[in-house]
Amino acid sequence: NAGVMQNPRHLVRRRGQEARLRCSPMKGHSHVYWYRQLPEEGLKFMVYLQKENIIDESGMPKERFSAEFPKEGPSILRIQQVVRGDSAAYFCASSARTSEGTQYFGPGTRLLVL
Amino acid sequence: QKEVEQDPGPLSVPEGAIVSLNCTYSNSAFQYFMWYRQYSRKGPELLMYTYSSGNKEDGRFTAQVDKSSKYISLFIRDSQPSDSATYLCAGSPGNQFYFGTGTSLTVIP
Repeated sequence: NAGVMQNPRHLVRRRGQEARLRCSPMKGHSHVYWYRQLPEEGLKFMVYLQKENIIDESGMPKERFSAEFPKEGPSILRIQQVVRGDSAAYFCASSARTSEGTQYFGPGTRLLVL
Repeated sequence: QKEVEQDPGPLSVPEGAIVSLNCTYSNSAFQYFMWYRQYSRKGPELLMYTYSSGNKEDGRFTAQVDKSSKYISLFIRDSQPSDSATYLCAGSPGNQFYFGTGTSLTVIP
């Protein structure tokens, strides 16, 4: 049973470009969460999605960031017009049910903005 | 005030020692508590999950939650060099998870 998959594992972008990060949840999981991790700051919640719905985006910056989880295909976190401050590790997690509490993380995408 | 506070360490112990990792939280609505282990440049790996107060044991790992004092603990018995990693605690009221900054642990052979 494959775990949470994320790609690419490493992404380099120049300032002003777009970054697109993909996450495929574990089989049977319909809840997806995106987190950002900066050194010394821990994991910061960004957004929680179910298929075709954004449930909680309270952690998402108001501009340039968007997320989707279509009926078919992976969840995508999109960052438009990237800036150097967007450089971080972005992790996706999935769970079978919200209240179950058990989130399983992917290996992360490390974004570097030059 | 952060939702979850965790001493970043670093913590160094000799092989075989008992390790105690601790977190405090501020949100009384937290019902679910987790501990994750994260190796360098890897994704967090779920170690322990507990619901409400109490203890949970899994092999060399024991998780404790004291909701009256808003205190979360993870104990590692007979620590091994392979336990060297960053340990993240997390709490949740039901949907959004709040993580501590992690404690870096090194177990010295």
